[in-house]
Amino acid sequence: KAGVTQTPRYLIKTRGQQVTLSCSPISGHRSVSWYQQTPGQGLQFLFEYFSETQRNKGNFPGRFSGRQFSNSRSEMNVSTLELGDSALYLCASSLAQGASTDTQYFGPGTRLTVL
Amino acid sequence: AQTVTQSQPEMSVQEAETVTLSCTYDTSENNYYLFWYKQPPSRQMILVIRQEAYKQQNATENRFSVNFQKAAKSFSLKISDSQLGDTAMYFCAFMLNDMRFGAGTRLTVKP
Repeated sequence: KAGVTQTPRYLIKTRGQQVTLSCSPISGHRSVSWYQQTPGQGLQFLFEYFSETQRNKGNFPGRFSGRQFSNSRSEMNVSTLELGDSALYLCASSLAQGASTDTQYFGPGTRLTVL
Repeated sequence: AQTVTQSQPEMSVQEAETVTLSCTYDTSENNYYLFWYKQPPSRQMILVIRQEAYKQQNATENRFSVNFQKAAKSFSLKISDSQLGDTAMYFCAFMLNDMRFGAGTRLTVKP
């Protein structure tokens, strides 16, 4: 079974631009979670989507948003990019059969650099 | 709020020896899940082991085992017969409604 895939793997943007990252979960998984990883703040939870609905949200500004499609694929969008948004963005999927505590399996990440 | 603390930023171990990574967490909840993930230089997060808080028995996965002390809110990872491929960052994670990670422990296995 194919793992979690994320596209693109690397991205370079300039301040003020917006960016969209994509995540395809493992087949059959219905939950997708997004995380930001930086050297200073470590791994931080952004949000989780289940059945096209945002189920949980971390403590990030409204510039960070996401959505999930009917095939469980998910996108996250960051608007008005700031230098501090440079990070590795990780996506994770889980079966999440009615609960948000199923084991999460991670994708390879998207490395975003904001210049 | 739930917090996860990994007090060892870096550790090293000789190949074939045993090493234990520490993790403590803070929560007032009773039912939750704990995980150890490893992140090698490729940056791919890989699940190492999972523990359900309601289970008293410590989880094991081949060379990896945990010492789960619920009352002490401690969740350490023991790696036996360390291999060069175990070199990675190891993250302890607590899950209730979302996943909270510790700062990580960088483990180096020396030949």
